[in-house]
Formats: sequence, C-alpha cells, structure tokens
Amino acid sequence: DAKTTQPPSMDCAEGRAANLPCNHSTISGNEYVYWYRQIHSQGPQYIIHGLKNNETNEMASLIITEDRKSSTLILPHATLRDTAVYYCIVRVWGAGANNLFFGTGTRLTVIP
Amino acid sequence: GAVVSQHPSRVICKSGTSVKIECRSLDFQATTMFWYRQFPKQSLMLMATSNEGSKATYEQGVEKDKFLINHASLTLSTLTVTSAHPEDSSFYICSASAIVSQGTGNTIYFGEGSWLTVV
Repeated sequence: DAKTTQPPSMDCAEGRAANLPCNHSTISGNEYVYWYRQIHSQGPQYIIHGLKNNETNEMASLIITEDRKSSTLILPHATLRDTAVYYCIVRVWGAGANNLFFGTGTRLTVIP
Repeated sequence: GAVVSQHPSRVICKSGTSVKIECRSLDFQATTMFWYRQFPKQSLMLMATSNEGSKATYEQGVEKDKFLINHASLTLSTLTVTSAHPEDSSFYICSASAIVSQGTGNTIYFGEGSWLTVV
C-alpha cells in the first residue's frame, strides 16, 4: 500500500470546519483513500472513503484532488467530541488486500 | 455501519498465565479478521490476519506460538496471549471487513479494543 503524509497535529475552534489534509503522491489507480479516527482508548472508527470523486456522508466530506495525489477530510462543524487522531490510509480493494496499515495520523484538538 | 465487538474490554492477568480475547462481527460475516496491537502514544501495528477455517498469517516479528489465533466461524476470531509477560501489556484491537453501500470498495470496521495488563 502507498504511504501517506499527514501533519502531526492541528487545532480547530468548536463550531468551525476542520480541514485535515493528506498527501498520497504515490497512490496507484486502484487504491482507495480511507479515513478513520481514533478517540483515546477506543478502536478506530470508520469515517469515509473514496476513489476519485468527492464523497459526503453524515460525518464528513472527502475532497480528492483531480490527480489523486492528495485529499482533505472536512468536518463541517467540529465539536469537542471530534477531538481524536485522524488517519488517512490508501489501500487496494479486493481479495488479498483487506488489511490496513496505519501511519502516525493527525491529532486534532477541538478547542472550546 | 457494521459492528465489530470485542470482549473483554479490560483484563488483568498474572505473569505466566494465558488470556483470551474475542472478536465478533455482529451483523455480518467476516471471512477475514485482523488483529492489531497499539502501545501508548503509538500507531496501530498489524499483528496477524485471521482466516476462517485456516491458519492465521502473522506479520514479521510476531510470535505465532505466543499469540494464538483461532477463527472457527464466520463471526468469531479469538486471540490468546500465552504465557503472558508484563511487556505484553498493550491495547489489542481486532477488525473485520464488510461491504458497505457507499459506492464500491469494502470497508474495514474495528472493535472497541481490549486493554491487557500483565502484572
């Protein structure tokens, strides 16, 4: 799986949008971009994933650049409960490629 | 999303004893589950891939005789830490893959994790 690069930490004011960047310049054509987050002492929580189109769900939006070399996870209205470590992962979907390799992620702190 | 449940959430055991951690997929069948370990302030490290009905595949450096994995059904995988030592104290997390409705691509869901403390 291709590697990703994320800033180690970010702060965001409560109620504002949190924009978390991720670089994946070596991503291949059949690799998806996945985002997970891990709140302290809990298992990772799936947020969203995409291949090339922008995606939105009830938790967040995922913006993928046209060349797919980077993406941004957007939490539209951050709350204190969104404080967590956010992981950007790229992986191939399909048989024999179902595991995930976690990097160091971005520690997001939402400030009251 | 799909639900993966782990039990126990916390366990304390004496050095030299064995402890079993269960991982269940509650609303889907998982032919493959994964076990991770996470030390404080570090990222998740994949330990092994658990395949239903066959032997697990271990990552380099993980002792298969110490971390026994059994995947006897499509909804249950167990990790047994044998002859536990204090250095085995860690946060153990399992995951399983499921097909979700958002476009193509399967998604991996994680359990809540299990804190193991060996005293």
